[in-house]
Amino acid sequence: DVKVTQSSRYLVKRTGEKVFLECVQDMDHENMFWYRQDPGLGLRLIYFSYDVKMKEKGDIPEGYSVSREKKERFSLILESASTNQTSMYLCASSLRQSIYEQYFGPGTRLTVT
Amino acid sequence: AQSVTQLGSHVSVSEGALVLLRCNYSSSVPPYLFWYVQYPNQGLQLLLKYTTGATLVKGINGFEAEFKKSETSFHLTKPSAHMSDAAEYFCAVRGSGTYKYIFGTGTRLKVLA
Repeated sequence: DVKVTQSSRYLVKRTGEKVFLECVQDMDHENMFWYRQDPGLGLRLIYFSYDVKMKEKGDIPEGYSVSREKKERFSLILESASTNQTSMYLCASSLRQSIYEQYFGPGTRLTVT
Repeated sequence: AQSVTQLGSHVSVSEGALVLLRCNYSSSVPPYLFWYVQYPNQGLQLLLKYTTGATLVKGINGFEAEFKKSETSFHLTKPSAHMSDAAEYFCAVRGSGTYKYIFGTGTRLKVLA
């Protein structure tokens, strides 16, 4: 079974802190994604990566950066956390070809106070 | 460009009744279509997908969906609702040759005893 793991299920940080969210997948998937999920807004893509060291901005990249140094690991970085970044963060991975579905991690619920 | 519309952010059905969750999409390239389910405080799990071939797709937990190109729809159905079906459901589209998945805003299904 494909497994996508996220470093924390719940996280509480203070405004202005630098926050790292880690995601690891074990199925050699080329593509990895970071979303945030807010009530009534569905899933919004922050960044995705289609290869090691390659990344592309999604729909809401402002205030976030990412790192993919190894194929299995994709990190989301909040350079200076703000209260409006309080949300559920979901990581996903997929094979490169379009016919394949995404596999999701359990999510990290981040609260910024 | 692709987009997804899910009609009805909340749907309630009685246990044993038909479940119908609506999804309409737009896509400038042949679409691949997906339905995911999310239980509370969990990530998304694939229910079913349409890529090519048979337009009626069967998934897990007794769900099925029919791809209707003329109506640009991919509605999710289940003949008889169970209490365990209470969850949030997301429709998603990915265009052939693209990296991104586009998600609808979700439909929360409530099953009444």
